[in-house]
Amino acid sequence: DTAVSQTPKYLVTQMGNDKSIKCEQNLGHDTMYWYKQDSKKFLKIMFSYNNKELIINETVPNRFSPKSPDKAHLNLHINSLELGDSAVYFCASSQDAFNQPQHFGDGTRLSIL
Amino acid sequence: GIQVEQSPPDLILQEGANSTLRCNFSDSVNNLQWFHQNPWGQLINLFYIPSGTKQNGRLSATTVATERYSLLYISSSQTTDSGVYFCAVNNNAGNMLTFGGGTRLMVKP
Repeated sequence: DTAVSQTPKYLVTQMGNDKSIKCEQNLGHDTMYWYKQDSKKFLKIMFSYNNKELIINETVPNRFSPKSPDKAHLNLHINSLELGDSAVYFCASSQDAFNQPQHFGDGTRLSIL
Repeated sequence: GIQVEQSPPDLILQEGANSTLRCNFSDSVNNLQWFHQNPWGQLINLFYIPSGTKQNGRLSATTVATERYSLLYISSSQTTDSGVYFCAVNNNAGNMLTFGGGTRLMVKP
């Protein structure tokens, strides 16, 4: 029933590892996003993905790479994890990329040891 | 990029009180949304309101796009209203939202 679902909900791993977070939406939306929420609750856009067009926030390190097998899925792969990557990552979707409301998943809390 | 400022940063209310949260933004916007992040961390979409006024139960929102601000009204507050309220706007390609810093609301019984 969940509109935007992320897995896993919690992820604890060692510095230097590579990990992936999965996101799926069953709303039939064309556009998906990844956001990062830091320890001070500040939310920042990372990526927007619409019909195979990727728009990247320029501040995102290239260790982060979104992968979309189809328009219902947008996974986030992170290489060589660093302590500063600890955060909550939110996936979202909207009907299209033209000023439509966004619907968010429940977030994935990533902790780097 | 566009700047989004929310006020007040923190707010403590007694149950039953009313409140107004404000969101100022530095440029014209195509999209504006209000979210509630509950104590479990979930982001709940309250309003999609790039202009005009909307109401949903005890909550209502007004955006005056020409003056670059939006207001969220909470009436007869309840303890379940506690959490962080975010305003987010978009004025760029790709519909990517820029979030304000949030208003942390605590409603006491």
